[in-house]
Amino acid sequence: DAGVTQSPTHLIKTRGQQVTLRCSPKSGHDTVSWYQQALGQGPQFIFQYYEEEERQRGNFPDRFSGHQFPNYSSELNVNALLLGDSALYLCASSLGYSLTYNEQFFGPGTRLTVL
Amino acid sequence: AQRVTQPEKLLSVFKGAPVELKCNYSYSGSPELFWYVQYSRQRLQLLLRHISRESIKGFTADLNKGETSFHLKKPFAQEEDSAMYYCALSAGGTSYGKLTFGQGTILTVHP
Repeated sequence: DAGVTQSPTHLIKTRGQQVTLRCSPKSGHDTVSWYQQALGQGPQFIFQYYEEEERQRGNFPDRFSGHQFPNYSSELNVNALLLGDSALYLCASSLGYSLTYNEQFFGPGTRLTVL
Repeated sequence: AQRVTQPEKLLSVFKGAPVELKCNYSYSGSPELFWYVQYSRQRLQLLLRHISRESIKGFTADLNKGETSFHLKKPFAQEEDSAMYYCALSAGGTSYGKLTFGQGTILTVHP
């Protein structure tokens, strides 16, 4: 099992463009969370998907949207890119969505640079 | 809202010395606390969680609700402990999946 995979590894965009990042969860996992990690900062929660629905959302504008597919893979879309969106985007997968914590396994991340 | 603070960005110790990575949090409810570690060129991974009360790789962390702290300790640091360490908090309830991370502490263990 390759664990959580993300594509692409690196991406360069210009301001105003739109970007789509992809994530495949660890085998057997059905929940996907996305985090943004700016340089020198800890990861910041964007949102979480379970059963193809957004279940929780962090303090991010509507320019950030996502999707989860029936095979549990997920996409993160960012519209109208700003310079401040430059960051490492991490995907994490876990099993189940419940009232107890289920360990999140992180992917290697996608490095987005906005020029 | 919850917040996690790691006051030290960098921490250097010599091999065999004790190490303590500090973590303070603010949250009005009963949080669940974690330490995550990222070794060089590896992914972020869970090191330990307070609720399990385990010792992983010789590290322990005690949740002090009075001081709202969750410091990570190891009595004898090893060179392989050199890594980035993040303290994280989960608010529980329906927010279990949402982790709030601190800024991280880079630990360097010198030979």
